[in-house]
Amino acid sequence: QVQLQESGPRLVKPSETLSFICSVSGYSISSGYHWGWIRQPPGKGLEWIGSIYHTGTTYYNPSLQSQITISVDTSKNQFSLKLSFVTAADTAVYYCVRLKYSGYRYYFDYWGQGSLVTVSS
Amino acid sequence: DIQMTQAPSSVSASVGDRVTITCRASQDISNWLAWYQQKPGKAPKLLIHAASTLESGVPSRFSGSGSGTDFTLTISSLQPEDFATYYCQQANSFPLSFGGGTKVEI
Repeated sequence: QVQLQESGPRLVKPSETLSFICSVSGYSISSGYHWGWIRQPPGKGLEWIGSIYHTGTTYYNPSLQSQITISVDTSKNQFSLKLSFVTAADTAVYYCVRLKYSGYRYYFDYWGQGSLVTVSS
Repeated sequence: DIQMTQAPSSVSASVGDRVTITCRASQDISNWLAWYQQKPGKAPKLLIHAASTLESGVPSRFSGSGSGTDFTLTISSLQPEDFATYYCQQANSFPLSFGGGTKVEI
């Protein structure tokens, strides 16, 4: 059974960098699939942040591209998210996800439990 | 970018009711659409992909239809465990995007 677990801070100050790690169990990242991040502000909808393949190829949401870096560490079976220069608008639950590839298209079939981060001084 | 619009934003229903949720894309996405169910405090769960293909283990009371720009999620007979928020997601092109959600409540 594939499981994903986010780890990161609960509180970040404005203008700082938010960093999350997603640890994957039950599947080796180096075997394939894209892996990514989605966020959800409290009481609001879902926003795709970006995705990465095990080779390091990335796809970023253009609305966040200047802020984000997604990387993968296959030796640890982990991937990570860095979001720089955060503001209160970046307060959200952050989910790590696996992307299911079907018909040359991507859907999100496995999700972490989510981790709430608050941006506040 | 493709914008996804769901309607209604919320619906009140009772156990046994037939519930229909619609999702509209700002441009033709063929059948590249998914539906997710999210319960409070939990991560979303993939129910349907490619507009009408049910994921393994998802009850057959859930069904999806549509193509092009207009899509529908139908719950044929609402069960207590179905009270949740439902999101559509377009998979046609990056950036991947979601609808605003439809809350199914009593």
